[in-house]
Amino acid sequence: QVQLVQSGAEVKKPGASVKVSCKASGYTFTSYGISWVRQAPGQGLEWMGWISAYNGNTNYAQKLQGRVTMTTDTSTSTAYMELRSLRSDDTAVYYCARDRLITGPLSDFDYWGQGTLVTVSS
Amino acid sequence: EIVLTQSPATLSLSPGERATLSCRASQSVSSYLAWYQQKPGQAPRLLIYDASNRATGIPARFSGSGSGTDFTLTISSLEPEDFAVYYCQQRSNWLLITFGQGTRLEIK
Repeated sequence: QVQLVQSGAEVKKPGASVKVSCKASGYTFTSYGISWVRQAPGQGLEWMGWISAYNGNTNYAQKLQGRVTMTTDTSTSTAYMELRSLRSDDTAVYYCARDRLITGPLSDFDYWGQGTLVTVSS
Repeated sequence: EIVLTQSPATLSLSPGERATLSCRASQSVSSYLAWYQQKPGQAPRLLIYDASNRATGIPARFSGSGSGTDFTLTISSLEPEDFAVYYCQQRSNWLLITFGQGTRLEIK
């Protein structure tokens, strides 16, 4: 069965960086893109960007351009999201989510990781 | 940016009743709209894709309709496990995928 397993919770100081991992199993990793979606406490869902697990192409939300980098390691079927220059309003649960469609980057998401809480606090 | 506006913000109903949730887009998204259910402490779950197609394993009481700018998620007869927050999401704009702000479906 398809599974996305994310790394554990992180506490970071303002200005630091965080890198969250998302290990996929149960399907051919390179056949589907991965998006990252975050959710601030008590708030809605915010799409952060997308990466093709096939060729590494990315599409980032404009508001995060320059602060976010998404990568994949096909040898371990793992996707990564790094966010730099953290601010208090980056405190959120970060989810990875698999594209439902093979033809990215525009898709909805049929499998989600369990979420990783990133807390930014001095 | 395509803005999705969901209404109502909160819907209070009883088990067995019919629920109708709305999602309106600021410009046409064709049929490229999905619905998700999220329960506390859990990741979202895909219910409906491309406006009217149920995702794998989703019960038939969930249905979606609409195209262009106006979409509806209907739950024909509420079960206790259906009380949750529901989000719509558009995939029409390749520059930015967006979600609605959510509708909380609560037990009356």
